[in-house]
Amino acid sequence: KQEVTQIPAALSVPEGENLVLNCSFTDSAIYNLQWFRQDPGKGLTSLLLIQSSQREQTSGRLNASLDKSSGRSTLYIAASQPGDSATYLCAVGAGGFKTIFGAGTRLFVKA
Amino acid sequence: GAGVSQTPSNKVTEKGKYVELRCDPISGHTALYWYRQSLGQGPEFLIYFQGTGAADDSGLPNDRFFAVRPEGSVSTLKIQRTERGDSAVYLCASSLASGAYNEQFFGPGTRLTVL
Repeated sequence: KQEVTQIPAALSVPEGENLVLNCSFTDSAIYNLQWFRQDPGKGLTSLLLIQSSQREQTSGRLNASLDKSSGRSTLYIAASQPGDSATYLCAVGAGGFKTIFGAGTRLFVKA
Repeated sequence: GAGVSQTPSNKVTEKGKYVELRCDPISGHTALYWYRQSLGQGPEFLIYFQGTGAADDSGLPNDRFFAVRPEGSVSTLKIQRTERGDSAVYLCASSLASGAYNEQFFGPGTRLTVL
């Protein structure tokens, strides 16, 4: 059974710091991995999608990597800003058509 | 509209009642997903539609839950005999395709409260 774990559960950093969020999954047979952002009381916003044949994707200050063999992905945020404060969710496209989510990392960037 | 929309945004009902939650996907998206999210948790997969058919309904918790998508666009999630444990945010997502290329786009969710 595919399980997705995100570490840390919560993170507080000063503005301007570079940071890394971690996601691990137990079954390497995935077809993609997607990172989302969720603001309180809101739906999910897609940040980056990495297909299983890819190693990383970049968008602006965000860079996501994927290592299928070790069951890991990282989301790197450069020069963090208070507006980056949100919950970041990792989700893997697993067997069939299921998408399995982690519980998220709650990020707070202090001004 | 440009994004996925869900109605109502909030629904309060009494235990034992029947509720319907609606999802309007992005125009042209053939894939549609329903998820349930409890406080402090990630979304939990419920059901996936490809066109009009439910390709994977393995996430539905029991037979009180049912979803339809009769014309391959709008979908309705139906919950019979609601229980307090059904209280959660119900999220809908759509994507242009399935598989490795399925970047999912989410609606704002419906917050269901069962008293």
